[in-house]
Amino acid sequence: RKEVEQDPGPFNVPEGATVAFNCTYSNSASQSFFWYRQDCRKEPKLLMSVYSSGNEDGRFTAQLNRASQYISLLIRDSKLSDSATYLCVVFFFFSGGYNKLIFGAGTRLAVHP
Amino acid sequence: ETGVTQSPTHLIKTRGQQVTLRCSSQSGHNTVSWYQQALGQGPQFIFQYYREEENGRGNFPPRFSGLQFPNYSSELNVNALELDDSALYLCASSSGPIGADTQYFGPGTRLTVL
Repeated sequence: RKEVEQDPGPFNVPEGATVAFNCTYSNSASQSFFWYRQDCRKEPKLLMSVYSSGNEDGRFTAQLNRASQYISLLIRDSKLSDSATYLCVVFFFFSGGYNKLIFGAGTRLAVHP
Repeated sequence: ETGVTQSPTHLIKTRGQQVTLRCSSQSGHNTVSWYQQALGQGPQFIFQYYREEENGRGNFPPRFSGLQFPNYSSELNVNALELDDSALYLCASSSGPIGADTQYFGPGTRLTVL
């Protein structure tokens, strides 16, 4: 089983649509959670952190359910510029004194006019 | 921009060769992590360097090695290249290995092994 699993998509939606991405993670000891955005052939960029209380940044809303080990991202009023791959990311800190980000394979979003 | 730079941007090698990739971390950051991203996959953790020492490693063979220099820049070396090593190699810098500090990624080096 993969440590972080996402629906690969692609999600093809019209401008203005609302789209939801889901993600599950396997290690209940994971400490922090993020969504990154990656444009074609570019590096991943942090979109937002994810908290149990839920958090919103403009048209983007992220939610974490620790009990279900489930993370979500909701994009409202989709724009053409939202077209990208969205990576679900779990942060894990090891007692040996290092940390790493564990990435899902990404969900591709294509917004069309 | 993150302030993290990588060189070269693209590289073509043949099987069996060796390659060195370079990363300059963001000012004030002393921790560099390296990731490999194969086509269609998410980045996979290779290793992390903190204060010039490797302090964590993912599931990669010993032919993947690295260095960190006093100015916190870093190199990734891959020996005996295999076709499956073709990928985007990303480095990420952060201000420490402790805690959920944000990691900032460089633009990556795209390696093709023929």
